[in-house]
This record gives sequence, C-alpha cells and structure tokens, in this order.
Amino acid sequence: SQELEQSPQSLIVQEGKNLTINCTSSKTLYGLYWYKQKYGEGLIFLMMLQKGGEEKSHEKITAKLDEKKQQSSLHITASQPSHAGIYLCGADGKIHDKIIFGKGTRLHILP
Amino acid sequence: GAVVSQHPSRVICKSGTSVKIECRSLDFQATTMFWYRQFPKKSLMLMATSNEGSKATYEQGVEKDKFLINHASLTLSTLTVTSAHPEDSSFYICSARTGFQPQHFGDGTRLSIL
Repeated sequence: SQELEQSPQSLIVQEGKNLTINCTSSKTLYGLYWYKQKYGEGLIFLMMLQKGGEEKSHEKITAKLDEKKQQSSLHITASQPSHAGIYLCGADGKIHDKIIFGKGTRLHILP
Repeated sequence: GAVVSQHPSRVICKSGTSVKIECRSLDFQATTMFWYRQFPKKSLMLMATSNEGSKATYEQGVEKDKFLINHASLTLSTLTVTSAHPEDSSFYICSARTGFQPQHFGDGTRLSIL
C-alpha cells in the first residue's frame, strides 16, 4: 500500500521567515493534495498537483511536484501567524477512489 | 469554493447511546463521501468510503456494525456510532468529492462518551 512520509514532523519558525515542508511517496503519485488543518477543526484545501514538474502558488504558498511524481514540497514565503497549523499531504490512488494522508507537519509561527 | 457542512460539531453523551453525525455537501453533488477519525495529535485515519446508493466500503479494522454509514443522496451521508463507549470518543471528519475533484472537508465532530 502507498505510504506518505512528511518532514519535518514539527516546525517552529520566526514570523517573516521562509519554510519548506516535504512529502515523499513510496509509489508514483497520481494526484497530490495539500491541506491545512487548524487544531480541532476540519481541513482546508490548498492545492492539487497532478503532473510531473507541476508548480502552483496561492498567495504566499507554493507547492511543487517533482518530475518523477514521488515527492512534493510546500514552501511558505515570509510566514505569518495565520500560517500556523497542521499541513497534510494526501495522495490519490490510481483509480482516484480515496486519499491517503501523511502524518502531517505541525507549524508554529513565533511572533 | 465547495462547502461541506458537518453536524453536530460537538456531542457529549452517555455510554451505550447511539450518535448520528451528518455530512452535507451544500453546493455540489458528491459522488463519494469519506469518513475519517482523528486521534489527538495524529493524522487522519480513513474509516470508510461511501458512494451514493451503495454500501460503504470499510477500511480494515473498522467495525461495520459499530459505525453505520448511509449515503442516501448525492448531498448527504450519515455516520451512526452505535452503542457508543468511551473508546469511541474521538474527532470525526467527513469529506466529499465529485469525480476527480479534490475532497472538501467538513469542520469535524468532537464526540465525547461519558
């Protein structure tokens, strides 16, 4: 079965600093999703990547999928307190039936 | 954007009672709905996948008779935790998708069994 490994597990950065979260798959990714979860709440969809080499941006968040479609990174530029939360990557199966999630990266932003 | 409503957001009840959680897609028709469980400081654990009008597909280790899922329409799925016990206390989240579109999540239900 497919497994997703996220790194780091936890991240503490000073406000204004850049940061990167990685997501590595044991198998080829057919669809890679990034979600953000605030503690005790639901998940907010950030981005979906499907093609090798694809890169998408939304405000100060950029996500990339490598050419081999086995690794994705999420980069936040000039972090703000509103970026704090848990970032989860999720992978689509070949038949797009369900998403398997990584264990998440807990991001804390220091003022 | 797509909106998924989950209700109730918080439930506290006595051991032995059954609890129903609703998940509705408000502005799109969901061909598939998912139910997850999340333990404190842990990632999401997929419990089951349900397609409208058919039986839910449960993940290994999830008791079908314990967690009853009904997907009666393209906008509504329900999860009923039957004869709930303290070990069923958890954060339950639903999500919905249509076709190959991303899943959109509800805000979750915090279930506490006394």
